[in-house]
Amino acid sequence: GAVVSQHPSWVICKSGTSVKIECRSLDFQATTMFWYRQFPKQSLMLMATSNEGSKATYEQGVEKDKFLINHASLTLSTLTVTSAHPEDSSFYICSARTINEQFFGPGTRLTVL
Amino acid sequence: GENVEQHPSTLSVQEGDSAVIKCTYSDSASNYFPWYKQELGKRPQLIIDIRSNVGEKKDQRIAVTLNKTAKHFSLHITETQPEDSAVYFCAAQKGLNTGTASKLTFGTGTRLQVTL
Repeated sequence: GAVVSQHPSWVICKSGTSVKIECRSLDFQATTMFWYRQFPKQSLMLMATSNEGSKATYEQGVEKDKFLINHASLTLSTLTVTSAHPEDSSFYICSARTINEQFFGPGTRLTVL
Repeated sequence: GENVEQHPSTLSVQEGDSAVIKCTYSDSASNYFPWYKQELGKRPQLIIDIRSNVGEKKDQRIAVTLNKTAKHFSLHITETQPEDSAVYFCAAQKGLNTGTASKLTFGTGTRLQVTL
């Protein structure tokens, strides 16, 4: 199947700093990428849908000014958590979609101290 | 929007027994139903999926059934093994293969524990 990578795999930062997470589709072009957040023992919650060359569509309750998404190319989307706080600590997972399947990245564990 | 419910939240079975996880969905337009297995700290991995034009699909020890009328689908794992222990998520989506697919809506997950 297609491969989606994420970088970094884990990050620890101080409260108030910004963190950027990259999501790449390695062997296919993805017009649509998704960003999910998963808290311990919970399901994946969609944060936003990212389409190449256009603004991301955020789910209700997700602050677009705090979670900045850039989908500049068909193989790269980035999520920047601005002014991170301890409550933003979570497992962030991206995914990229082809016409008939969705492939997930390995996730990024963010810990905000 | 779509709402997917999943039961049970936890399931413990003995090795060799069968496990069944059930999901219901609300949007009759949904036409794609994948199941994912997620191990701790790892990405969700697609283990089987079914489309609305099929009632049942099987892949070795794993099978999925779909009842469109009742809007529910189930995952069946036979001859369970300790390595089947993980969290399983169902999901529903509409419009797949059309280029205008909706987002995946996930169930709440089932933690399966296979004991020796």
